[in-house]
Amino acid sequence: GQNIDQPTEMTATEGAIVQINCTYQTSGFNGLFWYQQHAGEAPTFLSYNVLDGLEEKGRFSSFLSRSKGYSYLLLKELQMKDSASYLCAVPMNYGGSQGNLIFGKGTKLSVKP
Amino acid sequence: GAGVSQSPSNKVTEKGKDVELRCDPISGHTALYWYRQRLGQGLEFLIYFQGNSAPDKSGLPSDRFSAERTGESVSTLTIQRTQQEDSAVYLCASSLNPGLRYEQYFGPGTRLTVT
Repeated sequence: GQNIDQPTEMTATEGAIVQINCTYQTSGFNGLFWYQQHAGEAPTFLSYNVLDGLEEKGRFSSFLSRSKGYSYLLLKELQMKDSASYLCAVPMNYGGSQGNLIFGKGTKLSVKP
Repeated sequence: GAGVSQSPSNKVTEKGKDVELRCDPISGHTALYWYRQRLGQGLEFLIYFQGNSAPDKSGLPSDRFSAERTGESVSTLTIQRTQQEDSAVYLCASSLNPGLRYEQYFGPGTRLTVT
């Protein structure tokens, strides 16, 4: 089966750095997505990793280790607007379907002044 | 350009009634997905459409759920004889291609409350 685990909640201070971890178990691997979801809003795409290593995109970076089934999202210079849920997701890998995502329950990040 | 739109934004219905939810994907996006998000839970895949291919219905939780899509445009998700456990936010997403690496663009969702 496929399973994704991530912490339920995290709290950090404005201006600081926070790392949100995600572990996954999949039958086959086709990359890993991170989405941001503000309360009451739709998820928005942050990153996609398919190869090992760190990919940086402004204040946000995403890391992947396929051998460990592990990813993290790194947020630097935290801003109040970064308060949101961060969703880790992997594509399903069966049959002829492509792209259907399995999501973790999300990590709710609260940024304090 | 316009993003994915969904209607209605909120729907309150009585147990046992049927509801129909609508999704307008981004123009040109061939793949369309429906997900459900219950309170405090992750998104659950429901159904996937790709062009004129047969949809992947493997995520539909029961035969009370069905969905249709007209070509590469509008999709409707229908829930018959609604139950309280159907209460959730129903999210629609579309992507340019069905490939595994293509990001999905989500609509704002329809919040369904079954009383």
